[in-house]
Amino acid sequence: DQQVKQNSPSLSVQEGRISILNCDYTNSMFDYFLWYKKYPAEGPTFLISISSIKDKNEDGRFTVFLNKSAKHLSLHIVPSQPGDSAVYFCAASANNAGNMLTFGGGTRLMVKP
Amino acid sequence: NAGVTQTPKFRILKIGQSMTLQCAQDMNHNYMYWYRQDPGMGLKLIYYSVGAGITDKGEVPNGYNVSRSTTEDFPLRLELAAPSQTSVYFCASRRGGTNEQYFGPGTRLTVT
Repeated sequence: DQQVKQNSPSLSVQEGRISILNCDYTNSMFDYFLWYKKYPAEGPTFLISISSIKDKNEDGRFTVFLNKSAKHLSLHIVPSQPGDSAVYFCAASANNAGNMLTFGGGTRLMVKP
Repeated sequence: NAGVTQTPKFRILKIGQSMTLQCAQDMNHNYMYWYRQDPGMGLKLIYYSVGAGITDKGEVPNGYNVSRSTTEDFPLRLELAAPSQTSVYFCASRRGGTNEQYFGPGTRLTVT
């Protein structure tokens, strides 16, 4: 049973436009959410996170939105740049479960020049 | 800081062979983790450690063993390699009181 799902395996966007990556979860105990970015042959790198007490967190071109009632979060990248082309993983953790991360399957973002 | 380092980068094993994947971190993080990533899939937790001398199973521990004798090192042992263990293995660490994990570059393992 996948507790964290990224239903779009890939997304293609034109440079300068907005990229929206989506993530759904089923476990209502999750209280912290993270996005990781992964380039080929490298480890995932932390991008941005959000606590369940917030519904939005911004860091430069990256914004994460959390809709707790829908158990849905999204990552917005504006404007998208070719260097953003990578696989993006959504992850969730529960404070009462030792802050273990449960990962989604990833979305491959391709930003075309 | 080197962060999280992993060796080797690549390895090919024959069925039944054993090997140890090395992981080290120089950030003095208490928490360390081993994940595997199969093609097109997310990361699955194999084992984790909350400090030196303490380890516990994750979601997919069968066929693996770990030890944590120091804060810095967290090796992963495969005793009898099987083709199902062909994967990319990532080690990660985290400081207590935070949620963000920091990952190593990975070890690509093929078992034939």
